[in-house]
Amino acid sequence: DTAVSQTPKYLVTQMGNDKSIKCEQNLGHDTMYWYKQDSKKFLKIMFSYNNKELIINETVPNRFSPKSPDKAHLNLHINSLELGDSAVYFCASSQSLGAGELFFGEGSRLTVL
Amino acid sequence: GENVEQHPSTLSVQEGDSAVIKCTYSDSASNYFPWYKQELGKRPQLIIDIRSNVGEKKDQRIAVTLNKTAKHFSLHITETQPEDSAVYFCAASLNQAGTALIFGKGTTLSVSS
Repeated sequence: DTAVSQTPKYLVTQMGNDKSIKCEQNLGHDTMYWYKQDSKKFLKIMFSYNNKELIINETVPNRFSPKSPDKAHLNLHINSLELGDSAVYFCASSQSLGAGELFFGEGSRLTVL
Repeated sequence: GENVEQHPSTLSVQEGDSAVIKCTYSDSASNYFPWYKQELGKRPQLIIDIRSNVGEKKDQRIAVTLNKTAKHFSLHITETQPEDSAVYFCAASLNQAGTALIFGKGTTLSVSS
């Protein structure tokens, strides 16, 4: 019955590889987000999608490519991984654009060696 | 864009004491101010929020105050308990299309018994 679920929970990979993280929400929300939490715990917005449409694209390297096949899913693909990409990536959803509470997934911890 | 400053970065209190965490924001148009609690290894979860038309809000042992003129808001936890130990994040947003929650850098609260 998980509201926002992400897979995988852990990724360990080598520099230069490509990896993907998947996110699904069953709350019927219109808006989904990706946040990055670095080693200092700072939560930074990366992307926001509303009904499959990209709304927010912060200054994120274009090695990061989000994709929303439908409003319940938001995936994140990362090309040519770098050491600095190591972080916990949180998917989140909200009822609509700019509307109140964010519901976070459990996070996906990416370690780049 | 919005910038949220949060202080202190760490806070240690004895069980039963009160804890106060303060945040300032830069965009006077921001109108939604939530607080999230993140326990170790878990996802951030909303504990209380306040909107700009309200000066104070309470929920049992936690309360939030907002001073729009000074652009700052605070979280107050009374009668702290060991289970209050976590990282607390303040956030601010315009709560409208094209915006996202901008988080402060977090406060690690430790409550010792």
